[in-house]
Amino acid sequence: DAKTTQPNSMESNEEEPVHLPCNHSTISGTDYIHWYRQLPSQGPEYVIHGLTSNVNNRMASLAIAEDRKSSTLILHRATLRDAAVYYCILYRMEYGNKLVFGAGTILRVKS
Amino acid sequence: NAGVMQNPRHLVRRRGQEARLRCSPMKGHSHVYWYRQLPEEGLKFMVYLQKENIIDESGMPKERFSAEFPKEGPSILRIQQVVRGDSAAYFCASSQRPGQPNPTEAFFGQGTRLTVV
Repeated sequence: DAKTTQPNSMESNEEEPVHLPCNHSTISGTDYIHWYRQLPSQGPEYVIHGLTSNVNNRMASLAIAEDRKSSTLILHRATLRDAAVYYCILYRMEYGNKLVFGAGTILRVKS
Repeated sequence: NAGVMQNPRHLVRRRGQEARLRCSPMKGHSHVYWYRQLPEEGLKFMVYLQKENIIDESGMPKERFSAEFPKEGPSILRIQQVVRGDSAAYFCASSQRPGQPNPTEAFFGQGTRLTVV
């Protein structure tokens, strides 16, 4: 499995931006970078994904390094509802279309 | 368009009984995945199914566990002769077009929390 490395936990203040890093030094040229999050007692939720270029959607932005060995998920204004476990996943066809979840980053948001 | 529906949300079984977990994918989705999350652990892939076919069951325990996704009706994850170690949250996901070049997102259900007593 293609491995990603994320900090175990991070803390943010409400209304401030949050940058969640992910290292994926063994990424291959066709791997997509996906981010999901899991709120307490809920199923995972898709956040964003990208290949090479930075991506924006209504939930977040994804900044991908030029060499693609790392990426950063950016929440522009954290709210209490953003407290969750955030998973950075490399999507690779040879995995048979399944998502391989790591430990993720626990994001705590303080009011 | 309802999301991925799983039922029941909570299921209690005595050791040795059977557990049947149901998953109705989103409308128009023909790809279903099952994941298991043990207490205080991460999500582990179990099985990937398309209509009437098992595509990848590399994460399924070899015994007591089976899955199906019939032509009509929901996907079923069946656990026979449950043991305490089967207590976990079981999540189902569905997607429309999982393959390359640009895979679509997977939508997850709320999960079924199985407790074996």
